Amino acid sequence: EAGVAQSPRYKIIEKRQSVAFWCNPISGHATLYWYQQILGQGPKLLIQFQNNGVVDDSQLPKDRFSAERLKGVDSTLKIQPAKLEDSAVYLCASSLGRGLYTEAFFGQGTRLTVV
Amino acid sequence: AQSVTQLDSQVPVFEEAPVELRCNYSSSVSVYLFWYVQYPNQGLQLLLKYLSGSTLVESINGFEAEFNKSQTSFHLRKPSVHISDTAEYFCAVRPNSGYSTLTFGKGTMLLVSP
Repeated sequence: EAGVAQSPRYKIIEKRQSVAFWCNPISGHATLYWYQQILGQGPKLLIQFQNNGVVDDSQLPKDRFSAERLKGVDSTLKIQPAKLEDSAVYLCASSLGRGLYTEAFFGQGTRLTVV
Repeated sequence: AQSVTQLDSQVPVFEEAPVELRCNYSSSVSVYLFWYVQYPNQGLQLLLKYLSGSTLVESINGFEAEFNKSQTSFHLRKPSVHISDTAEYFCAVRPNSGYSTLTFGKGTMLLVSP
């Protein structure tokens, strides 16, 4: 079974530029998550989708971050404009989303460096 | 809201020695508990989980964790570590109802040396 795919693996941009990350979840997984992992910290949830609807985006900095999951499959996360403090690993995860508990599977992440 | 505290940012041990990685949590509702492992340049992998039932849970590679409700802890242990166990370990919690999400601790880097 293919895992969660993310691209690119690495990205370096200058501050005030824009950047986009792509995630392809495991086939059939209804729930998709984007996490931000700053160096030395645990992952922090940015946004959670259930199919193509947003379930939780309370910690998404909406003035500069946006995410979409058209057709309830792939997802993109965009930052515009980027700040130095956005340097982090951006993790995508997916789960079946049915029942009381389903395991979340994580991709390898995209490491963003803002200079 | 939930929070997770991993007091040790780094734990150095020698190969074949026992290890304990500490995790304490705070929550106003019942939660599921997890340990994830992250090897260098890789994504997070689920190591073990507590959902219900026996408070002692085990992984396939020799780790175990015990849920202690009174102490709100979920410490991870291994009686004898290998070099290959060198990785970052994250404790996480999730409410056991609704569209709830994982809340992670800051992680503990386990460094195993020969």
